[in-house]
Amino acid sequence: ETGVTQTPRHLVMGMTNKKSLKCEQHLGHNAMYWYKQSAKKPLELMFVYSLEERVENNSVPSRFSPECPNSSHLFLHLHTLQPEDSALYLCASSLLDSPYGYTFGSGTRLTVV
Amino acid sequence: KQEVTQIPAALSVPEGENLVLNCSFTDSAIYNLQWFRQDPGKGLTSLLLIQSSQREQTSGRLNASLDKSSGRSTLYIAASQPGDSATYLCAVVPFSGNTGKLIFGQGTTLQVKP
Repeated sequence: ETGVTQTPRHLVMGMTNKKSLKCEQHLGHNAMYWYKQSAKKPLELMFVYSLEERVENNSVPSRFSPECPNSSHLFLHLHTLQPEDSALYLCASSLLDSPYGYTFGSGTRLTVV
Repeated sequence: KQEVTQIPAALSVPEGENLVLNCSFTDSAIYNLQWFRQDPGKGLTSLLLIQSSQREQTSGRLNASLDKSSGRSTLYIAASQPGDSATYLCAVVPFSGNTGKLIFGQGTTLQVKP
């Protein structure tokens, strides 16, 4: 267990479904992140939450909707996804100052059918 | 725009060899550089973090160096073992934006043969 817990580990959903990914950390970190990892591409930043406020949205389509109700929890709500959204979605947390050491979760493997 | 490149993309070596993985970045304005390990289908495990004022960090058989002026970092793995087989990712935290986001390279996939 890394200190950052993601659920579910695997998710298969249809294009018309609505689902949510959950991330939880109890490391005392004050920043949380969603990253997307697709085959043959570098890890891409999706969203950054700093002190529960969204501070970066990296041109992510509106079918992905993040939520950060408190500093320990982060959600990614999914609706009307496309097959190309199939990927490994990784959550991470860090402290909001140097050296910005990161802890990653184990990821959710998402397949859109 | 910061870009991170890792060479080689894949590497296969016999057990016991010492090896070097390379990482380069285009903008030297960084807070730090981090090396991660990723096993297939899993999340990332932090290996080493080098702050911008540092030149190297060591952990066990791993040694990472940082040369900000040339935009380069290397990860040295001594006496490689089959258990070292994984993808190794290099990432930097740029000054711009101050959100602590990581910019990743594409990774080097290492196979150590028994």
